[in-house]
Order: sequence, then C-alpha cells, then structure tokens
Amino acid sequence: LAKTTQPISMDSYEGQEVNITCSHNNIATNDYITWYQQFPSQGPRFIIQGYKTKVTNEVASLFIPADRKSSTLSLPRVSLSDTAVYYCLVGGNSNYQLIWGAGTKLIIKP
Amino acid sequence: GAGVSQSPSNKVTEKGKDVELRCDPISGHTALYWYRQRLGQGLEFLIYFQGNSAPDKSGLPSDRFSAERTGESVSTLTIQRTQQEDSAVYLCASSFGTSGPTGELFFGEGSRLTVL
Repeated sequence: LAKTTQPISMDSYEGQEVNITCSHNNIATNDYITWYQQFPSQGPRFIIQGYKTKVTNEVASLFIPADRKSSTLSLPRVSLSDTAVYYCLVGGNSNYQLIWGAGTKLIIKP
Repeated sequence: GAGVSQSPSNKVTEKGKDVELRCDPISGHTALYWYRQRLGQGLEFLIYFQGNSAPDKSGLPSDRFSAERTGESVSTLTIQRTQQEDSAVYLCASSFGTSGPTGELFFGEGSRLTVL
C-alpha cells in the first residue's frame, strides 16, 4: 500500500496561488492520486483525482510528473474559506485500502 | 436525501453503555464505509460494505465493535460497553464504484461520540 508524505501545515494569503506537494515514492502502476478537503466538523470532500500529467477542474489543478512519485495540488487565488485540511491519497485496488494520513492544514490569512 | 446522512450528530454516553450510529448512504451507492477520526488525526478505516456484505472487517478495533447493512442501504455501527478511548467522530461514506474514477467517496458529517 502506497503511503504519502505531505507537509503538516502551510500558511498563505488571500488571492495567492497555493501549491501543496505530496510524495508517494511507492506508487503502483494502477494507483490513482486523489485529494480531499476537510473543513472542521465536516466529512472530507473530494477535490480532484488524476493518474498522470495534469488534471484541472473548477476548483483546483493536479500536477503529476512523469515518474508519478509526487503530485502537487494547486489552488488558484485562495480565499479565507479555503482554510481546511487537505489529504493526499494514493490507491488503485479499493477505496477501503486507502491510507489517510494527518493531511496538510492550510491556513489562509487576510 | 441528496447526500450521506448520519445520526445522531452528537452522542454523549457513559462508560459501559452501548451506542448505535446510523448511516443513510446516497441512493444507488453499493459501497459503504465507516471510519473513525480522532481529534487532529486522519481517518482510520473500520469496515467496508459491498452491498450487504462486509468483505473486510479488519479495521474494527475490538469485538465490541460491529456493523451491519440492510437492503443495500442503511448501515448501523454498534459499539458495546463503550470506553473513553472510543470518543471520536465516526464518519460514514458511500461510493458508486470502489476505486478510480468511479470511486469518489461521499462523506456524511459524522457522529461525534463522547464517552464520559
């Protein structure tokens, strides 16, 4: 099972672009990379998923280099409401095998 | 409803009592998951249902924990003889598929359990 390593916390300011990098050196061929966001007193919410190269949706972009040993979640022009914990998960066989670390606590300042 | 619903949202109980936590998944989602989250920590997998069957119960911390799912819908997580270390938020999630692009997990807001 592929474990991930991501920063424990990050700070940024409103209007800035925030990049959170996740390391997953033992990623397997059939593993996808998925990011979830969690606000206090709520369950996690899916943000984005990718397999390789770049994926973009209405809230974020996910950059995955060719070796897939890391990935970067990019949040454009963050606001105070983006303050949350962000989890990077790697897995392919089944969701229940995903390993949830402590995530990255992102704090956005005015 | 449109999302995953969990009840109760908060439960305070005394040590030694039994508690039941309920999860209503999104209609049509065949996979259902229970997780435990302690303060400031990531999610700890407890059990997974595919339909009404639980292929993997390996995450249940002890035999005081059990879960069932009926009608490929509602699930109940039961904790018997609660202990203080059981205090946590219990999260339920459902998904259409079990991995990859169809495996997006939809979470409820959780049931916060406090054992005094």
